[in-house]
Amino acid sequence: NAGVTQTPKFRVLKTGQSMTLLCAQDMNHEYMYWYRQDPGMGLRLIHYSVGEGTTAKGEVPDGYNVSRLKKQNFLLGLESAAPSQTSVYFCASRDSGQGHQPQHFGDGTRLSIL
Amino acid sequence: GQNIDQPTEMTATEGAIVQINCTYQTSGFNGLFWYQQHAGEAPTFLSYNVLDGLEEKGRFSSFLSRSKGYSYLLLKELQMKDSASYLCARDNYGQNFVFGPGTRLSVLP
Repeated sequence: NAGVTQTPKFRVLKTGQSMTLLCAQDMNHEYMYWYRQDPGMGLRLIHYSVGEGTTAKGEVPDGYNVSRLKKQNFLLGLESAAPSQTSVYFCASRDSGQGHQPQHFGDGTRLSIL
Repeated sequence: GQNIDQPTEMTATEGAIVQINCTYQTSGFNGLFWYQQHAGEAPTFLSYNVLDGLEEKGRFSSFLSRSKGYSYLLLKELQMKDSASYLCARDNYGQNFVFGPGTRLSVLP
C-alpha cells in the first residue's frame, strides 16, 4: 500500500534555484493538497486541487506554483527559491469533499534553501 | 477569519488522562478532525466529529460543540508512545482543511 508518495525526501537548494516537488497517490482520490510546516505554526495550506486540471490558492501561495495534469499527481514548483521557503512540505490527498473523509499525508519533503 | 486555537504544549504522566482543547471559527464549518503527528513523521488521522457530542474510539475520544466552536481530544491511560503533537483541523466548506498550530504532548514516566 503506497498511499501518498512524495519525492524527493530531502533537498538542499541555493537561493534562486528552481525545483519541483512531486506528489503521487494511488487511491484514486479527487482532492490533493500541498502544505508547509514550520516550527510553532502548524500546517499551512499552499495550494490545493479538487480534481484533475483544477488548482486553487491556499493560505500561503506566494512563490509557489502547482499543476494537476493527471489525477494521481500533484506537482509543487518553486521558480526562484528563497531562504524563507526552508520548511517541511507535506502533500495530502482526500477521496472527495464529503465531510467524514480525512486527508491522507505523505511522509514529507525536507527542503533547505541556503 | 479562520483561526483555530490550541494550547502549545502539555505534559502528563503515564497512565493519566489528558484533555486537549481546540476552538475554531464556526463560519463554513463542515466537520472537525484530529490528527496525531510524531516528531519527524506525517500526520495520521485520529477522529472526526460533525455532530455535537462525544465520539469514542478505544483510548481516544473526541467531543464537539458546534454552537460554541469548541472541541476536545481526550486521551485515557496515557502511554509513552502517545508523546506527539496533536493537530486540530476544521473542514472548510468541504474544500480544504484549516489546521491549528498543534499541541505538543509530553508523557512522562
